[in-house]
Amino acid sequence: GAVVSQHPSRVICKSGTSVKIECRSLDFQATTMFWYRQFPKQSLMLMATSNEGSKATYEQGVEKDKFLINHASLTLSTLTVTSAHPEDSSFYICSALPGTHNEQFFGPGTRLTVL
Amino acid sequence: SQQGEEDPQALSIQEGENATMNCSYKTSINNLQWYRQNSGRGLVHLILIRSNEREKHSGRLRVTLDTSKKSSSLLITASRAADTASYFCATPPRAAGTALIFGKGTTLSVSS
Repeated sequence: GAVVSQHPSRVICKSGTSVKIECRSLDFQATTMFWYRQFPKQSLMLMATSNEGSKATYEQGVEKDKFLINHASLTLSTLTVTSAHPEDSSFYICSALPGTHNEQFFGPGTRLTVL
Repeated sequence: SQQGEEDPQALSIQEGENATMNCSYKTSINNLQWYRQNSGRGLVHLILIRSNEREKHSGRLRVTLDTSKKSSSLLITASRAADTASYFCATPPRAAGTALIFGKGTTLSVSS
């Protein structure tokens, strides 16, 4: 089956620093990738839709200047959390969509802790 | 915003029992999907049911869909301790192949 990886799996950083999270589709091309955020004991909330070669589309309430998304190739999307604050601590999960399939394939998630 | 509501929020059962989780959603859908998430881990896709299907089976899983009531149920038969996880329903409300909107999830605990 289709595999999506995320790196790093865990990251701890100091407040004010920036953190980059990578999402890769390993055995298929994904013109669209999605970034979700999940706070403890809560559900996944869509943050943004990342389209290869164009600007990401952000959901209401998600600051595009704080959460920078780059979808530079058909197999890689990156999410950079800039000037991280403790309230940004969360589980960030990406998913990738092969072509026009209905099924998305999810990465294993990245646990971000901001001290 | 949340598309669906899972019911119950938490469920505790003994191994061998069946577990039923329900999901309601708000908008018209093309399909509805169920996912499992072990604590602190990524999502595992369990099953997809299309809007023109009423029931679907996969191993010990049985999913039903009632589009008139905008609801779905996930039944896990003969549960095992390894089924302990959170279960989410999700739909692509805008169009097929777009972002998923997740329900709040049901946390299932199966004790041996």
